[in-house]
Amino acid sequence: AQSVTQLGSHVSVSEGALVLLRCNYSSSVPPYLFWYVQYPNQGLQLLLKYTSAATLVKGINGFEAEFKKSETSFHLTKPSAHMSDAAEYFCAVSDNAGGTSYGKLTFGQGTILTVHP
Amino acid sequence: EAGVTQFPSHSVIEKGQTVTLRCDPISGHDNLYWYRRVMGKEIKFLLHFVKESKQDESGMPNNRFLAERTGGTYSTLKVQPAELEDSGVYFCASSQLQGKGTGELFFGEGSRLTVL
Repeated sequence: AQSVTQLGSHVSVSEGALVLLRCNYSSSVPPYLFWYVQYPNQGLQLLLKYTSAATLVKGINGFEAEFKKSETSFHLTKPSAHMSDAAEYFCAVSDNAGGTSYGKLTFGQGTILTVHP
Repeated sequence: EAGVTQFPSHSVIEKGQTVTLRCDPISGHDNLYWYRRVMGKEIKFLLHFVKESKQDESGMPNNRFLAERTGGTYSTLKVQPAELEDSGVYFCASSQLQGKGTGELFFGEGSRLTVL
């Protein structure tokens, strides 16, 4: 069975500071990994995904994540936080790599990012 | 292009009542998923349709939950009878079949269910 652990249910940063959201996973097969973001009153939106290509993945809104197999990690970073980045972020691993889609996901518990002026 | 739409956005019912949630996927998306987030917990997979067929329903909690996808278009998720522990946000997501697109999941805004 696969699992995802997000360290820190709440992260608070100042505007302009580095954003680091941590995600560790366990998987018995090479994983597909994802970060999603949920803004208030909206659905989940894909930020970026790792599907066994480059280990450093760039996503939307200036976010990126690095797949580190030795550490079983897929941490999300952004060099400079904006107020608009305030949202809840979810790390997820696919249980269906190579199947009909990436869609059967196992999610972490989510991290709420707060950005202070 | 319209995204994934879910109805109702919020439903408040009493224990023992029935609720039906509806999801309209993006047109042309054969994959349709239901997920649930109980307050304070992680988002969990419920089931997966490919067109009108249930591909995987391993996440369905019990037989009080019934999902259908008539004609391979919209889907409904019925909870009957509802229990207190069914409260949470129910998300629907859709995607194209692998090979027809990126496989990216597109999520709806969710239907919040409150059982009193």
